Amino acid sequence: DAKTTQPPSMDCAEGRAANLPCNHSTISGNEYVYWYRQIHSQGPQYIIHGLKNNETNEMASLIITEDRKSSTLILPHATLRDTAVYYCIVRDSNAGGTSYGKLTFGQGTILTVHP
Amino acid sequence: DTGVSQDPRHKITKRGQNVTFRCDPISEHNRLYWYRQTLGQGPEFLTYFQNEAQLEKSRLLSDRFSAERPKGSFSTLEIQRTEQGDSAMYLCASSFLVNTEAFFGQGTRLTVV
Repeated sequence: DAKTTQPPSMDCAEGRAANLPCNHSTISGNEYVYWYRQIHSQGPQYIIHGLKNNETNEMASLIITEDRKSSTLILPHATLRDTAVYYCIVRDSNAGGTSYGKLTFGQGTILTVHP
Repeated sequence: DTGVSQDPRHKITKRGQNVTFRCDPISEHNRLYWYRQTLGQGPEFLTYFQNEAQLEKSRLLSDRFSAERPKGSFSTLEIQRTEQGDSAMYLCASSFLVNTEAFFGQGTRLTVV
């Protein structure tokens, strides 16, 4: 079962920041927070991941709370092409673990960016 | 293109036929995953390879499903005696380390008629 909770849908105006929340209250010390998105009929696209610290790359920023029980993905200037399903996933990073780094997807958040 | 490649992109087959899908991971990635995605759902894990060893199989992978990764390079997923319930998108992903990002292919969409 997915270990994360996300709102089923969100809207955002083009050019504004999209802030997608995720709750992962049972996250363990070895688990990273990963974000992927999936545009219709395509494979999931990696966005960003983090363990404790906030992270930023060319696509997005990831803000993780100090207790690591929740996080927010920020798309700073959303465009129409950012309309997609966004998945927040916790992933075991333990090389000796039995999860083997597989990703357990939930239902995700459908983000709709409108003009 | 150095991403994960899957072939074919689309497959229509009659119920009862066998089908085989291929995945070519990113060349230096030793970890390879197969997932299945049905309409309106997130991808579900099917199986995992580390090099050529198949280390985990989901209970979703019935006896009609088999996956291989000879020589730790490309992988194949075969479905025997296909059923309509097998209609789905089959996704392949690869990664280098367990704590590095996994990259997905574009998937193979299977339709069983």
